[in-house]
Formats: sequence, C-alpha cells, structure tokens
Amino acid sequence: GQNIDQPTEMTATEGAIVQINCTYQTSGFNGLFWYQQHAGEAPTFLSYNVLDGLEEKGRFSSFLSRSKGYSYLLLKELQMKDSASYLCAVRDSNYQLIWGAGTKLIIKP
Amino acid sequence: DTAVSQTPKYLVTQMGNDKSIKCEQNLGHDTMYWYKQDSKKFLKIMFSYNNKELIINETVPNRFSPKSPDKAHLNLHINSLELGDSAVYFCASSPGTGDNEKLFFGSGTQLSVL
Repeated sequence: GQNIDQPTEMTATEGAIVQINCTYQTSGFNGLFWYQQHAGEAPTFLSYNVLDGLEEKGRFSSFLSRSKGYSYLLLKELQMKDSASYLCAVRDSNYQLIWGAGTKLIIKP
Repeated sequence: DTAVSQTPKYLVTQMGNDKSIKCEQNLGHDTMYWYKQDSKKFLKIMFSYNNKELIINETVPNRFSPKSPDKAHLNLHINSLELGDSAVYFCASSPGTGDNEKLFFGSGTQLSVL
C-alpha cells in the first residue's frame, strides 16, 4: 500500500528553527508537495520538490531525497503565525496525490 | 476576488437527507476536485474532473455524485446521508494535471450528520 508518514505534533519556540520530516512509500514518484493548513482553514501551497536537493523560499525550505523516500520542511525564524498543520503529499505514478495526515506545529513564545 | 469558493461553510443535517455543496472557481483552471478530510485530518480524493472527463474514485459510495455544469463549477450532491459522512469537504482546482501544478483549495464545508 501507499503510505506517507509525518510526526503528529511538534512544538517549537518563537524565533527558533524547526524541521518537519516526511517519509513516503508510494507506487512511483512524480513530485512532493508541502501545504500549510491553519485550523479551520483550507490548505495552501508552500513548496514543490521533484529533484533531489534543497529548495529555498524565504523562511521556508524543503528538501528531497528520492532514494531514501524522504523529505523535510525547514522553517526558520519561527513566528506565532506559523502555528498550523503542515501536510506532505506525494504524486504517484498515476499522478494521484497521496496525503499524509499532517504535522501540527505549535509555536510557543 | 475569491479564487475557489464553496458554499455552504457549515451544513448540519439529519441522517437520510439529501444535500448539495456548491463550488466555483474563477481561475480559469481546467481541473477541479472534491476532497474529504476526516477527523484524523487525512485528505482523501473523492473526484477529479478535467474538462469533460470525470475521474471517479472507486472507494466513494455512489450516494456521492459530482455535477459539473461548466468548467468553472463542480458541485457535490450527497444522497441518503449517513453519520460517517460527517467531515470537512474541500473543493480544489488546478490549471491541469501536470507534475508541479499546485492545488488551490476552497475554504471547506463542515458537514455534520446527526
């Protein structure tokens, strides 16, 4: 079966750095997405990786290793507004998006 | 201004009723989707509609039927609602079905079946 694993919950301090990991086992691979979802709101796109390496976008970076079936989302200079769930999703060989359950990130002052 | 809009935001109804959720996108996208997000927060694809082609997820009961009057609209009709249908339903759209095409989500409809 297809599987996306992420930690259920993480806690970090305002101003710090946090890394949210995602491991996947899917039938084929056609890209990995990270989305942010604030409580009670819709998911919004953060990043896309299809080749190995690091993609940086402001305070957020996303890394991919296809051989290890592994990605992480790195958030720097954490702000209170970063408190949200972070969803990892992989597009499989049928171009279907397989979603993880998300990691709830709690930021403390 | 809203890119993907869905109504209603909240829907509370009795078991056995029939209800519809409407979705409209003004982005000119070719592909629209319905997702269900359950209490464990997994997003599960229900349907995707690419121009004239409807792709049905086989795990969706046939009580759920999408209807697309045109490319900008994809409504979801649910017959004979059951307790297990309680969830948040998200409409989404994308320009197409290419590799890096991100999804734009509506704000969600929280369905509660009593």
